[in-house]
Order: sequence, then structure tokens, then C-alpha cells
Amino acid sequence: GQNIDQPTEMTATEGAIVQINCTYQTSGFNGLFWYQQHAGEAPTFLSYNVLDGLEEKGRFSSFLSRSKGYSYLLLKELQMKDSASYLCAVWDSNYQLIWGAGTKLIIKP
Amino acid sequence: GAVVSQHPSWVICKSGTSVKIECRSLDFQATTMFWYRQFPKQSLMLMATSNEGSKATYEQGVEKDKFLINHASLTLSTLTVTSAHPEDSSFYICSARGGTGPTEAFFGQGTRLTVV
Repeated sequence: GQNIDQPTEMTATEGAIVQINCTYQTSGFNGLFWYQQHAGEAPTFLSYNVLDGLEEKGRFSSFLSRSKGYSYLLLKELQMKDSASYLCAVWDSNYQLIWGAGTKLIIKP
Repeated sequence: GAVVSQHPSWVICKSGTSVKIECRSLDFQATTMFWYRQFPKQSLMLMATSNEGSKATYEQGVEKDKFLINHASLTLSTLTVTSAHPEDSSFYICSARGGTGPTEAFFGQGTRLTVV
């Protein structure tokens, strides 16, 4: 079966750095996405990785290792507005998006 | 990024009635549209995938006669929840993708459906 694992919840302090991990087992791989979702809202796109390595975009960075079936989202200089759920999703061989359950990130002052 | 407009943002309807949700791609041609449902504190669950001009492909366990999907043009897809019941109350989100290559999918704002 297809499976994506990420922690259910994480807590971090404002101004700090947090890393959210995601491991996946899918039938084929055409890329991995990270989305941010605030409560009651649709997900918003953060990043897309299809090759191994680190992609940096402002305060957010995403890393991918295809051989390990592993990715992480790194958030720096945390702000209170970063409190949200972070969803990891993988495009399988048919370009179907397989979703993780999401990681709820709680930011404390 | 590209814009996907979903309407309405929220709707309350009586049990037994039907509700139509629209999803439009405003500045690109959406060859594929996805419809998701999300219950509180759960992940997005794909309901169906539709390609312009053809019948939607439904995921296992999703009733195609209850959730009618129409993708008549490259910029518009609709989801109609027929004979809605309280258990259909959920957050429905559409997503659109242009082309067949590895491009990101763009999400609508979502529709909060409450059936009373």
C-alpha cells in the first residue's frame, strides 16, 4: 500500500527553528509537496521537490532524499503566524497526490 | 501562482437537498481537476479526479451517484452533492492542474458544507 508518515504534532518557540519530517512509501514517485493549512482554510503551496537536495525559499526550506523516501520541511525564525498544519504529499506514478495526515505546529511565545 | 476560485465558501442546506460547488481556474487551463473532502482534524481525502470532457474517476468508497462531478470546460468543474445528509457535512476542496507534467496543483479556497 501507499503510506506517508509525519508527526502528528510539534511545538516550537517563536524565533526558533523547527524541522518537520516526512517519510513515504508510494508506487512510483513524481515529486513531493509541502503545503501549509490554517484551520478552516484550504492548503497553500509551500514547496515542490523532485530531485535530491535542499530547496530554499525564504524562511522555509525543503529537503528530499529519494533513496531514503524521506523529506523534511525546515522553518526558520518562527513567527506566531506559522502556527498551522503542514501537509506532506507525494505524486505517485499516476500523478495522484498521496497525502500525509499533516503535522500540527504550535508556536509558543 | 495560478488562481483557482471555488464558490461558495460556505453553505448550509437542509437534509435531502442538493448543493453545487463550483471550481474555476482563472488564469490557466485546468486539464485535470481533483475534488477532496476533509473532515475535522483529518487529512485531505481524494474523492475523484476529472479530466476535461470525460467522466470523473472516483476513489473507492465514494458514491458517484451522490457526488456528481462535471468538468465540461478547461476552466470549470462542478461538484454536486445530491440528497445531502448531515454526515456529508465537511470541507470540500478542489484542486486544478494544467498539463500532464510535474506541475504543482493549485487549490481553491474550499467550501464548508453544513447539512442540517
